[in-house]
Amino acid sequence: EAGVTQFPSHSVIEKGQTVTLRCDPISGHDNLYWYRRVMGKEIKFLLHFVKESKQDESGMPNNRFLAERTGGTYSTLKVQPAELEDSGVYFCASSQGYRERETQYFGPGTRLLVL
Amino acid sequence: AQSVSQHNHHVILSEAASLELGCNYSYGGTVNLFWYVQYPGQHLQLLLKYFSGDPLVKGIKGFEAEFIKSKFSFNLRKPSVQWSDTAEYFCAVMEYGGATNKLIFGTGTLLAVQP
Repeated sequence: EAGVTQFPSHSVIEKGQTVTLRCDPISGHDNLYWYRRVMGKEIKFLLHFVKESKQDESGMPNNRFLAERTGGTYSTLKVQPAELEDSGVYFCASSQGYRERETQYFGPGTRLLVL
Repeated sequence: AQSVSQHNHHVILSEAASLELGCNYSYGGTVNLFWYVQYPGQHLQLLLKYFSGDPLVKGIKGFEAEFIKSKFSFNLRKPSVQWSDTAEYFCAVMEYGGATNKLIFGTGTLLAVQP
């Protein structure tokens, strides 16, 4: 079974540019999460999809971040325009919908550097 | 809100030494607890998890963790580390809120095992 995949693995962009990150969850997983780790700090929740619906986007930093999950399969996270403080590692995770015993499986992350 | 503390940020051990990494979470009630590991260049991988039952949980690669409810702790242990255990280790608590299960992470512990 393929795991969670993310693309690209690394991205270096200049301040003001746009970057789009992609996540492909484990097949059949309805839940898809985005997390971010900034410069050696803790990994923090950004948002949660169930299928194509946003369940919780309380962790999104601001309106420069837009996440989509069209068709309930893969998801994209767009940062537009990128700022220096957006640098970090963006993780995607997926899970099956079994609330009290949910295990989230993570992808390798996308390392974003904004110059 | 829930928070997670990992007391050791960097740990250096020699091969065959015993390992214990501390993890405390901030408040009680029903908790689901996890340890994840990220080996160099790889994705965040689940080491072990606690949902209920026996507070001593065994995971992959000889790791175990003990849930002590009275101490709000979930420390990770391994009796004899190997060079291949060099990685970053993350403790996490699952927080239930509405329809979203967020993982709340500690800041991570970098373990370096010297051959």
